[in-house]
Amino acid sequence: DSGVTQTPKHLITATGQRVTLRCSPRSGDLSVYWYQQSLDQGLQFLIQYYNGEERAKGNILERFSAQQFPDLHSELNLSSLELGDSALYFCASSPLGEGRGELFFGEGSRLTVL
Amino acid sequence: GENVEQHPSTLSVQEGDSAVIKCTYSDSASNYFPWYKQELGKRPQLIIDIRSNVGEKKDQRIAVTLNKTAKHFSLHITETQPEDSAVYFCAASKGGNSGYSTLTFGKGTMLLVSP
Repeated sequence: DSGVTQTPKHLITATGQRVTLRCSPRSGDLSVYWYQQSLDQGLQFLIQYYNGEERAKGNILERFSAQQFPDLHSELNLSSLELGDSALYFCASSPLGEGRGELFFGEGSRLTVL
Repeated sequence: GENVEQHPSTLSVQEGDSAVIKCTYSDSASNYFPWYKQELGKRPQLIIDIRSNVGEKKDQRIAVTLNKTAKHFSLHITETQPEDSAVYFCAASKGGNSGYSTLTFGKGTMLLVSP
């Protein structure tokens, strides 16, 4: 158990819909990262928050947004869903956000868009 | 931004053999290189990492080597066991005086160890 909690574990929805994925980091970790994992693209970095502020942005679509709340949990919002958004979405956390250190991954949220 | 290439995409070995996975990176300022193991249906987990101030690091059956000049690093697993079967991801990032970047992952290597 990494200490990172993600909900829901599985989500099935239709094209055009909007979903919210939730992540609670390990106790004391200030950084939260979101990654998308699809079969042929490995782990694609979406966005990082550090202590409530956006720290780094990757290949996150404009239809996607995220935030980190004062209690340090984070939410990833996916809207106007398309079939290609079906993937496993991982949240990870780390104590700081300094670029050199272990990331602790949650179990992931599997999104299926029909 | 950083680009990490990983080879091979799949690797099949017999139990007891050695396995080597290689990665190259593009940003010469990257200074942190971890390897993550992801078992089927599980989350990625760090198995070993190396920083740019060393050329090699070993932990029991696992070792990582880094060649900064050539911008490549490799994972070596000796005496492979069936439980080593998983997808392995290399990654690169930078921090400290080199600037900052989050981890960029390679596309992964599926290692299959046959009994």
